[in-house]
Amino acid sequence: GAGVSQSPRYKVAKRGQDVALRCDPISGHVSLFWYQQALGQGPEFLTYFQNEAQLDKSGLPSDRFFAERPEGSVSTLKIQRTQQEDSAVYLCASSFYTGGSSGANVLTFGAGSRLTVL
Amino acid sequence: QKEVEQDPGPLSVPEGAIVSLNCTYSNSAFQYFMWYRQYSRKGPELLMYTYSSGNKEDGRFTAQVDKSSKYISLFIRDSQPSDSATYLCAMSATYGGADGLTFGKGTHLIIQP
Repeated sequence: GAGVSQSPRYKVAKRGQDVALRCDPISGHVSLFWYQQALGQGPEFLTYFQNEAQLDKSGLPSDRFFAERPEGSVSTLKIQRTQQEDSAVYLCASSFYTGGSSGANVLTFGAGSRLTVL
Repeated sequence: QKEVEQDPGPLSVPEGAIVSLNCTYSNSAFQYFMWYRQYSRKGPELLMYTYSSGNKEDGRFTAQVDKSSKYISLFIRDSQPSDSATYLCAMSATYGGADGLTFGKGTHLIIQP
């Protein structure tokens, strides 16, 4: 697609419920990132995939958080036994290489999935 | 102290003014510096990225990085009401950003018509 697509856009869960958030990255983008953005804060890194390999999950706040990208394209972030502190916008980003010795992976973000835990 | 400090504002200026947005950071390993714009209920959108120190200009936007002071800036000339948004600075240490970007809190900018 033309951009990074995330679903659902809005999710309300009762405390203790499990939720799954989906990310469709830009076609051909190798790298995929998940970020958590609390109200009034900047995004915070959760995890990083290169193709289907999860290379860094150091930002996942607890073992209730799990992410996968089994075929190297679509990714799912799963949160088990949701807590009120999990309420945030979950942003997915995919990236391409800009080229050159000073290039950097330029992240394109989706609109996010807003999770509210009651 | 957080790794990246950014005044959350709000910063309110009249249309046509020059806007200066800033971040300071503590991690000397950061080499890649970015500015993102985020409209309400949207994802961040990349405006500028700079490798190491120096200036970069793109239309009405100029990004400056001073690694010796651990200070980065974004200037917006001839500001427009459509520039009203939250501006996030972001930075990373590794080539490719695989360590994950570290963001500032974001500055809420309001351009008054």
